Amino acid sequence: GAVVSQHPSRVICKSGTSVKIECRSLDFQATTMFWYRQFPKQSLMLMATSNEGSKATYEQGVEKDKFLINHASLTLSTLTVTSAHPEDSSFYICSAREGGWGNQPQHFGDGTRLSIL
Amino acid sequence: GQQLNQSPQSMFIQEGEDVSMNCTSSSIFNTWLWYKQDPGEGPVLLIALYKAGELTSNGRLTAQFGITRKDSFLNISASIPSDVGIYFCAGPYFSNTGNQFYFGTGTSLTVIP
Repeated sequence: GAVVSQHPSRVICKSGTSVKIECRSLDFQATTMFWYRQFPKQSLMLMATSNEGSKATYEQGVEKDKFLINHASLTLSTLTVTSAHPEDSSFYICSAREGGWGNQPQHFGDGTRLSIL
Repeated sequence: GQQLNQSPQSMFIQEGEDVSMNCTSSSIFNTWLWYKQDPGEGPVLLIALYKAGELTSNGRLTAQFGITRKDSFLNISASIPSDVGIYFCAGPYFSNTGNQFYFGTGTSLTVIP
């Protein structure tokens, strides 16, 4: 089945540090990848849609200068949390959609637990 | 945005019991997906439904795509401890502004051995 790998699984760093999270589709090409944020006991909240070769589309209220997204290839998207602060601490999850058809399921990475001290 | 409401919000059941949960929306969806999320991990796809009225099984799991295309249910038969987790319904929604993907509010399942 479709596998999405997310790295790192956990990051603990000081306030002001920039953190990069990678999302890779291992056995399929993904023209579209998605980045979510999840707070404890809540559902996933879509932050942005990452399109290979073009700019990401950000959801309302998500700062694009704070959360930089790069989708340089059909198998890799990265999310960089710039100058992270404690309020950015959260569980970040990426997903990738197989194929170009919008109805195809998304497959998720295992998430990155980000803790900013 | 679209809202997918799941009920119940949480369930506490004895091992061996059957479980039923559902998901409703105010708008029509053309695809319904059911995911399970274990603590500290990403959601894992359980069942995908593409056609109104479709009934699909995956082992002890059965899901149906409602005829109105505004709801879906997921049943788990003979629950076991490893069924513990949060179950989400989800689906893509096409609008004038593009293709969005929405998640339900989640149903937390606890199975008591």
